[in-house]
Amino acid sequence: EPEVTQTPSHQVTQMGQEVILRCVPISNHLYFYWYRQILGQKVEFLVSFYNNEISEKSEIFDDQFSVERPDGSNFTLKIRSTKLEDSAMYFCASSESRYEQFFGPGTRLTVL
Amino acid sequence: DAKTTQPPSMDCAEGRAANLPCNHSTISGNEYVYWYRQIHSQGPQYIIHGLKNNETNEMASLIITEDRKSSTLILPHATLRDTAVYYCIVRVPRETSYDKVIFGPGTSLSVIP
Repeated sequence: EPEVTQTPSHQVTQMGQEVILRCVPISNHLYFYWYRQILGQKVEFLVSFYNNEISEKSEIFDDQFSVERPDGSNFTLKIRSTKLEDSAMYFCASSESRYEQFFGPGTRLTVL
Repeated sequence: DAKTTQPPSMDCAEGRAANLPCNHSTISGNEYVYWYRQIHSQGPQYIIHGLKNNETNEMASLIITEDRKSSTLILPHATLRDTAVYYCIVRVPRETSYDKVIFGPGTSLSVIP
C-alpha cells in the first residue's frame, strides 16, 4: 500500500541553524501539507501546497518557514533559523481527494 | 467548521467493541463527520467519514444520528494496536483538496488486555 515517507526520523540542530525536512508524498497525490505537534499538544496545521504554490498557511508559518517541491517526488519544509520553540514533531501529508489526508510518520526536530 | 465534543479518555477490553462518541450539535447541512486517530508518536491516520448515512469500512463503522447532532465511531473488535487518540472532526469538504484538518484534543482510547 502506498504511503507518505519522511526523512530524517529525528533531526537535532543548534538554535539559529537552518534545517530541511523532507517528505515523499504518495505518487499520484497533488495536494501536500505540513503539520506540527509540540510534545503533549495537539496537531497543528502549518501550510498546504498545490500546483507549486502555497494554498493556505497558518499564523505559525512565518517568514522563517518555506516549502518547496524541488522535483517530481519530494516536498520539503525549510526552517531558516531555528528557535527552541520549533522543537516538535513535523508531519507531512498528501491527498488526492477532498476527504482523507494521508500522513507520514513524522520527523522529530530537536533544537538545542 | 462546527465544534465537536469528545470525552477525554475511554477504556475498552480487548476483543470487545469500542464505541467512541462525538457531539456536534451545531453541525450544518453540508458538513461531513470525519474520524482520524493517532497512535503514540505516529502520524495521524484517516479512519472514516460520513454525511448522514451510516458508513462502514475495513477499519470501523460510523453511526450518525438522524438529527446529525452526534455520531459514534465503532471499532468492532478492539485490539491493543487500537490504543490511540481518536479525533472527531466536522468540516465541509472543499471542491479543491487543499483544506487543512483541524485537530481537537480527541479521545484517548486505551484497550486493556
